[in-house]
Amino acid sequence: EVQLVESGGGLVEPGGSLRLSCAASGFIFNSHSLNWVRQAPGKGLEWVSFISGSSAYIYYADSVKGRFTISRDNAKDSLYLQMNSLRVEDTGIYYCAREGSGDLSPSLVYWGQGTLVTVSS
Amino acid sequence: SDDLTQPPSVSVSPGQTASITCSGDVLSRQFAYWYRQKPGQAPVLIIYKDTERPPGIPERFSGSSSGTTVTLTISGVLAEDEADFYCQSSDNTGKSRIFGGGTKLTVL
Repeated sequence: EVQLVESGGGLVEPGGSLRLSCAASGFIFNSHSLNWVRQAPGKGLEWVSFISGSSAYIYYADSVKGRFTISRDNAKDSLYLQMNSLRVEDTGIYYCAREGSGDLSPSLVYWGQGTLVTVSS
Repeated sequence: SDDLTQPPSVSVSPGQTASITCSGDVLSRQFAYWYRQKPGQAPVLIIYKDTERPPGIPERFSGSSSGTTVTLTISGVLAEDEADFYCQSSDNTGKSRIFGGGTKLTVL
């Protein structure tokens, strides 16, 4: 069974930093691309970042480019999101999502339950 | 423009058919995906590549595409279908993922 478990969320002041983690299990980790998707309180989904299985391809939403860094450790089956220069508008639930295989690629097939990031003074 | 536009809300009576549209220029060149999200839960993929259903998704969920608009159709709506629905695609480069603003489906 595929499982994605996010951690690392919390309360941080504007301008601060936070590092999110996503621990994966139940699949061959280095064979799948991963994404971070966030959702502000009461708002819709917003794609944040993508990383391919080998980390050769990395993409960011314009809203986080230059502030956030996505990475993965295939030896530890883990995905990360380093968030710097945090803003109030970065507040929300951050989901780790795995893309599908074969015909289901690049759908976001598997999602974690999310970790809440609150940026406030 | 790479924006995806959805109606904020759709209402339907139980047993009726609900249609949720998603419009955007990019949809004439990129596939669309649909996700259902119930309160307090993570999104679930219900349609991929415009019209395909993942394993385990009921047949009453279907997708269609015409030009720059894709449509999610839910036939024989059940009370349990009440949720937020999001369309998603990619920008013209295929690098960025884009979500529509979401549609709240209310079952009357």
